[in-house]
Amino acid sequence: EIVLTQSPVTLSLSPGQRATLSCRASQSIRSYLAWYQQRPGQAPRLLIYDASYRGTGIPDRFRGSGSGTDFTLTISSLEPEDFAVYFCQHRSDWPPAITFGQGTRLEIK
Amino acid sequence: QLVESGGGLVQPGGSLRLSCVASGIDFSSYEMYWVRQAPGRGLEWVSYISTSGATTDYADSVKGRFTASRDNTKNSMYLQLNSPRVEDTGVYYCARRFSSGLDYWGQGTPVTVSS
Repeated sequence: EIVLTQSPVTLSLSPGQRATLSCRASQSIRSYLAWYQQRPGQAPRLLIYDASYRGTGIPDRFRGSGSGTDFTLTISSLEPEDFAVYFCQHRSDWPPAITFGQGTRLEIK
Repeated sequence: QLVESGGGLVQPGGSLRLSCVASGIDFSSYEMYWVRQAPGRGLEWVSYISTSGATTDYADSVKGRFTASRDNTKNSMYLQLNSPRVEDTGVYYCARRFSSGLDYWGQGTPVTVSS
């Protein structure tokens, strides 16, 4: 079973700053990683799939990178609406189970 | 969009059926998932169903108790919760698989298991 570990647990930054979120897999998952943003009271929103491809309508300030076991979500210049919880996720080929990281809370400093 | 319904209060050992209806998006060509979130917690995968509905898979925590199904003629998916436990409490989301991710999510339907 693949385990995804996100760091940091909480990240305190100011609008305009750059955010770097990490997700580490317990074994190689190639590029099969997605990132989501979840605001309070809302469903998760797909930001990045296949490690580096932005979802539909996602601003280009969101960038995903990495492969194998180490992945990064970078938000180049934080907007007020970016302060939320971020999850990484992996889907295995078979069985088609989905694994989520525990989340990183991005809060306003 | 995806819209879930059917959540509510259920007693431990009871049963509940959740529904997910798709509109305005391709449903029948995509694999679908149920994902849940306990209050104040992270996301947990619950179940998978193939495009035809012939193949399903479940998290160990719900295997043997929950059953996923779909009706492509109705653009709908279902999750039957049998013998729910207190720890099954949470918001249940349906989501559509797109490559390595889930691109469309419903707004969620809350389930509370309590006596």
